[in-house]
Amino acid sequence: DAGITQSPRHKVTETGTPVTLRCHQTENHRYMYWYRQDPGHGLRLIHYSYGVKDTDKGEVSDGYSVSRSKTEDFLLTLESATSSQTSVYFCAISESTRAGETQYFGPGTRLLVL
Amino acid sequence: DAKTTQPPSMDCAEGRAANLPCNHSTISGNEYVYWYRQIHSQGPQYIIHGLKNNETNEMASLIITEDRKSSTLILPHATLRDTAVYYCIVLPHWAGNNRKLIWGLGTSLAVNP
Repeated sequence: DAGITQSPRHKVTETGTPVTLRCHQTENHRYMYWYRQDPGHGLRLIHYSYGVKDTDKGEVSDGYSVSRSKTEDFLLTLESATSSQTSVYFCAISESTRAGETQYFGPGTRLLVL
Repeated sequence: DAKTTQPPSMDCAEGRAANLPCNHSTISGNEYVYWYRQIHSQGPQYIIHGLKNNETNEMASLIITEDRKSSTLILPHATLRDTAVYYCIVLPHWAGNNRKLIWGLGTSLAVNP
């Protein structure tokens, strides 16, 4: 398995509080991603990073910010959590090679916003 | 909108081949077809990918039509542990920094005893 960890794995928080999720990799892969997954919507990209301090928005970025100060860490922040951000959050990493590009996913973080 | 279209669900008998179709009629010449699966609440897992030739690995086979507008993932002898959601996505080779991947809803495969 690719060396990807997510923390915390489960979190319950209240509306209006800030929340930060961490993704850590040991593979030194260039690309890192944050997805959310909700019933009926599949995997949706929130933000991604193509290098240290290089990030861009995905299709559902409103209400989220990210930071990548080191290759191995990609942080997702909910500045003021809302109930609509209750979801399962997956981090992924990838690297482009001549053989193609495979995404490796972390185990996920279950977030409940009350 | 997703670049691929898949049936929402399929059934397969244990021990039989599972053939999962995917339509990607707008695929570009430099785009690969990738298949992943997601078992229950785990993170998606890579299965196989290809450009235009058929591919096989220890998990599955990938058949891509000559015009590359569709493909089929084949699990030759499905087991109960193959019950999962299967995603077909397209990704440009050497995609650069534009990583706005659209995953779609995939096909929920139920392998029945």
